[in-house]
Amino acid sequence: GENVEQHPSTLSVQEGDSAVIKCTYSDSASNYFPWYKQELGKRPQLIIDIRSNVGEKKDQRIAVTLNKTAKHFSLHITETQPEDSAVYFCAASSGSGGGADGLTFGKGTHLIIQP
Amino acid sequence: DTAVSQTPKYLVTQMGNDKSIKCEQNLGHDTMYWYKQDSKKFLKIMFSYNNKELIINETVPNRFSPKSPDKAHLNLHINSLELGDSAVYFCASSRSPGPGYTFGSGTRLTVV
Repeated sequence: GENVEQHPSTLSVQEGDSAVIKCTYSDSASNYFPWYKQELGKRPQLIIDIRSNVGEKKDQRIAVTLNKTAKHFSLHITETQPEDSAVYFCAASSGSGGGADGLTFGKGTHLIIQP
Repeated sequence: DTAVSQTPKYLVTQMGNDKSIKCEQNLGHDTMYWYKQDSKKFLKIMFSYNNKELIINETVPNRFSPKSPDKAHLNLHINSLELGDSAVYFCASSRSPGPGYTFGSGTRLTVV
């Protein structure tokens, strides 16, 4: 089955700096890679996703890159703000976009934005 | 209108009891899931149901049983609760193929 590794487990950055979270996956059949943000006591919420036919995707301050050959993908957050503080999860799926095959999650990164 | 709703939000119960958590989605999605999030925040899939058919069961003890009366509901029944069952349980739904999951707000289960 799929195995997703996520690093670092904790990341502390100064407000306004950039943050990068990296994930690797094992199953070459995986073709869908979402990122979720979970604030304390709340549900995981999808913030951005990428499919295997795309190398990079950007949405305002958030971007995701995918290297299929190396089987790794990364989340980039620029101009970090205090409200970016949360736990971020990467995930992978071999389904057609998070469908019935289920998602395999990384273990999460606790992002701390220092004022 | 909450897209994926689950009840109860908190559940405290004694070891050995049987309990249920309910989940409903009003998104018209055809697949629903249960995930367990342990104390270290690790999210692990337990079950998924697609058109009332169980299609994933990730080596979960048979004390856990999902029940789907219709496409909009997926309930989780747990028998003979153990201390190690304490966790947050998230329901989720998706369209297959779709743009990813929508999670419910979670049920914090504490077994004492």
